[in-house]
Amino acid sequence: ETGVTQSPTHLIKTRGQQVTLRCSSQSGHNTVSWYQQALGQGPQFIFQYYREEENGRGNFPPRFSGLQFPNYSSELNVNALELDDSALYLCASRHKAGGAEAFFGQGTRLTVV
Amino acid sequence: DQQVKQNSPSLSVQEGRISILNCDYTNSMFDYFLWYKKYPAEGPTFLISISSIKDKNEDGRFTVFLNKSAKHLSLHIVPSQPGDSAVYFCAAKGGSQGNLIFGKGTKLSVKP
Repeated sequence: ETGVTQSPTHLIKTRGQQVTLRCSSQSGHNTVSWYQQALGQGPQFIFQYYREEENGRGNFPPRFSGLQFPNYSSELNVNALELDDSALYLCASRHKAGGAEAFFGQGTRLTVV
Repeated sequence: DQQVKQNSPSLSVQEGRISILNCDYTNSMFDYFLWYKKYPAEGPTFLISISSIKDKNEDGRFTVFLNKSAKHLSLHIVPSQPGDSAVYFCAAKGGSQGNLIFGKGTKLSVKP
């Protein structure tokens, strides 16, 4: 059983640019969520996808968008990057019919300069 | 407005002793609580969970206690080991979609 993997692990972008982060869900998991973890904070929920549709969203602006593919892999896209977008971005997967436990990838460290 | 609070940013414990990490929450509708452990440069690792209908769940050296009337939960680690040194996050399952709401974390240091 493979775990959750994210790419890239580190990324540096310039303010105003766009970025795409990728995630491969754990085998058998059909629900993927994305979280943003700023320095010294806990992870904050961005949005969740189930069967390729967004079915939950946190307090993040529309320039944060995503996709889920038929193989349950996922992308997080951020447009018009701001300095405050610098954070660790975490992907988590679970099976919707399973328990509450979500399993996280190692994260992508995004730095916006 | 923080719905899940971990009021101790750090905790230092001697190897072999008990570590107690605390967490408070405000929303009585949360139905599941979870603890995650996070090492630097890694994602959070699931540790243990508890349903809101229970008051205790145990897994090896880890026990989580839930006090619903006080809206408080705690994670006990006995005995503590140096490898337990990490940041521990408390999380609650909120909303119908099952997203997690995290506290800010407590950094545990277990000294040999």
